[in-house]
Amino acid sequence: DARVTQTPRHKVTEMGQEVTMRCQPILGHNTVFWYRQTMMQGLELLAYFRNRAPLDDSGMPKDRFSAEMPDATLATLKIQPSEPRDSAVYFCASGLVAGGYYGYTFGSGTRLTVV
Amino acid sequence: KQEVTQIPAALSVPEGENLVLNCSFTDSAIYNLQWFRQDPGKGLTSLLLIQSSQREQTSGRLNASLDKSSGRSTLYIAASQPGDSATYLCAVRSGGYQKVTFGIGTKLQVIP
Repeated sequence: DARVTQTPRHKVTEMGQEVTMRCQPILGHNTVFWYRQTMMQGLELLAYFRNRAPLDDSGMPKDRFSAEMPDATLATLKIQPSEPRDSAVYFCASGLVAGGYYGYTFGSGTRLTVV
Repeated sequence: KQEVTQIPAALSVPEGENLVLNCSFTDSAIYNLQWFRQDPGKGLTSLLLIQSSQREQTSGRLNASLDKSSGRSTLYIAASQPGDSATYLCAVRSGGYQKVTFGIGTKLQVIP
């Protein structure tokens, strides 16, 4: 089965450090999403790419978060500097939008702990 | 702004029961609605996708219905099994950029 690959699976870092999370979308998918999941807020959309171009990153704290797609096989989410309130599970999802819409596939997530 | 609500937040049933999970959304102008399952510490697994023009979708013991005009969807699970225990999330795709908005989820426990 095709899958979305996220690395690392777990990350513990000290406050103030830079964190980079990576996502490899499914080959052929043209849409990539970054979500953050916490117990209190549930799943929150951080950023949304279509054909590698950012369409919407209004859910992302701009001062410390950045999301990019340097090529079609890699999406990155960076936090600099990290803060304890950034502790959450970060999910990447990819899908295909081409005339119709065919659903998402989620990665297994990166569990981030900022101490 | 689209808001998605799932009721109940948690549900505990004995094995073998049929059950219904509810999802409601505030903006009925949706492209589609998707039901996901999430096991503890894991990612999301897609269960069923209903396009806005459809009324329901079925997969095995699962049946999802969509009433766009009233802003509601239900996920029906027949003959529940302990392996069905998980959190079930409803996600709605809507808006100019076709954003996907998730509900908080319903945590289901099926007791053997």
